[in-house]
Amino acid sequence: NAGVTQTPKFQVLKTGQSMTLQCAQDMNHEYMSWYRQDPGMGLRLIHYSVGAGITDQGEVPNGYNVSRSTTEDFPLRLLSAAPSQTSVYFCASSRGGGRGETQYFGPGTRLLVL
Amino acid sequence: KNQVEQSPQSLIILEGKNCTLQCNYTVSPFSNLRWYKQDTGRGPVSLTIMTFSENTKSNGRYTATLDADTKQSSLHITASQLSDSASYICVVSWRGSQGNLIFGKGTKLSVKP
Repeated sequence: NAGVTQTPKFQVLKTGQSMTLQCAQDMNHEYMSWYRQDPGMGLRLIHYSVGAGITDQGEVPNGYNVSRSTTEDFPLRLLSAAPSQTSVYFCASSRGGGRGETQYFGPGTRLLVL
Repeated sequence: KNQVEQSPQSLIILEGKNCTLQCNYTVSPFSNLRWYKQDTGRGPVSLTIMTFSENTKSNGRYTATLDADTKQSSLHITASQLSDSASYICVVSWRGSQGNLIFGKGTKLSVKP
């Protein structure tokens, strides 16, 4: 199993550009989520999904969109990139809703918005 | 407000020594507490998960303890190795809606030869 994969590893954007961060898992996990990690702060939840076709907002959803058309994929879209979105983004998956289930994280995408 | 506080922020120890990392939380109602290891430039990896009724859980040289009454947890690392150099993150889950994990800021551990 590849586990949780993320692409790209690095990305530089200009303010106002849009892009999609890809996340895929091959463990047939129902629960997937996106986090951002900023220096001096804990990981913060952006959006999550409890199954195909079902998504919900986390702590910091503004400026981001998600969709879940398949169990395997959970892309994160930046609609109009801003410098405040410079961060490291992690995708995670787990078998259940996160309560007591082990979460598996991807390797991360480093995003720089100029 | 649900919060997870970790101490110390950073720690330097010599290879072979033991160390203990602390986590205090104010999350309520509590569901479970997790410890993750995050190597530089990588995603977090789960070490332990403890529910309300569990006082201790081990994973090799890592032993986590939980005192749900005082809302404190510790992660003890025995006979440290250079590969233990990483950030260790305490995460608390609360019994609410989905997406309910509160992350601490982590303790950065450096193990020196």
